Amino acid sequence: DGGITQSPKYLFRKEGQNVTLSCEQNLNHDAMYWYRQDPGQGLRLIYYSQIVNDFQKGDIAEGYSVSREKKESFPLTVTSAQKNPTAFYLCASRGSGRGSYGYTFGSGTRLTVV
Amino acid sequence: ELKVEQNPLFLSMQEGKNYTIYCNYSTTSDRLYWYRQDPGKSLESLFVLLSNGAVKQEGRLMASLDTKARLSTLHITAAVHDLSATYFCAVDLLPFTGNQFYFGTGTSLTVIP
Repeated sequence: DGGITQSPKYLFRKEGQNVTLSCEQNLNHDAMYWYRQDPGQGLRLIYYSQIVNDFQKGDIAEGYSVSREKKESFPLTVTSAQKNPTAFYLCASRGSGRGSYGYTFGSGTRLTVV
Repeated sequence: ELKVEQNPLFLSMQEGKNYTIYCNYSTTSDRLYWYRQDPGKSLESLFVLLSNGAVKQEGRLMASLDTKARLSTLHITAAVHDLSATYFCAVDLLPFTGNQFYFGTGTSLTVIP
């Protein structure tokens, strides 16, 4: 079945560490997105990519980095520069073209700083 | 700057009652989406509204879109506890580029037995 997979489901980070969240999709979607959600809050866009080897900053990109070397994969690295990384991270994808409707979301990664 | 506003932000309602959640947006769009999020879970697609006057219904939920008023509504009929969740609307910009959505602030719904 086609879908979008995020891993791990839970991740613990020590102060000063970089960690990488995985996002893989087999939907043949061109565009992929990373969102951050804090408790009781809405979604804030971190980075997005519309094609391989290209990506753009969203509203809260500071302290994060991404790569898009393959169409299927869009990993997010939370660097030590991100001062408050504890949050729920959601990856999403969508196809291109007028006939493409809506995002498909992954199941999310919950990151906690310990 | 595009704004997508939902109200109310929090809604507590008794089982069996009806209520409406509103989603206002500040730019031209003919595509609006509704999502549901259960606590600790990801977002699940509920409705895709693609034109002015579009109405979609699924069970006790009905969504509509008025592009001239830049308003979408999510109507809940005879609420049941299983509908307790957070509901988000999201807007596509025009001209359509396949680019990112703009999400509303979310409405946290609690249905009380």
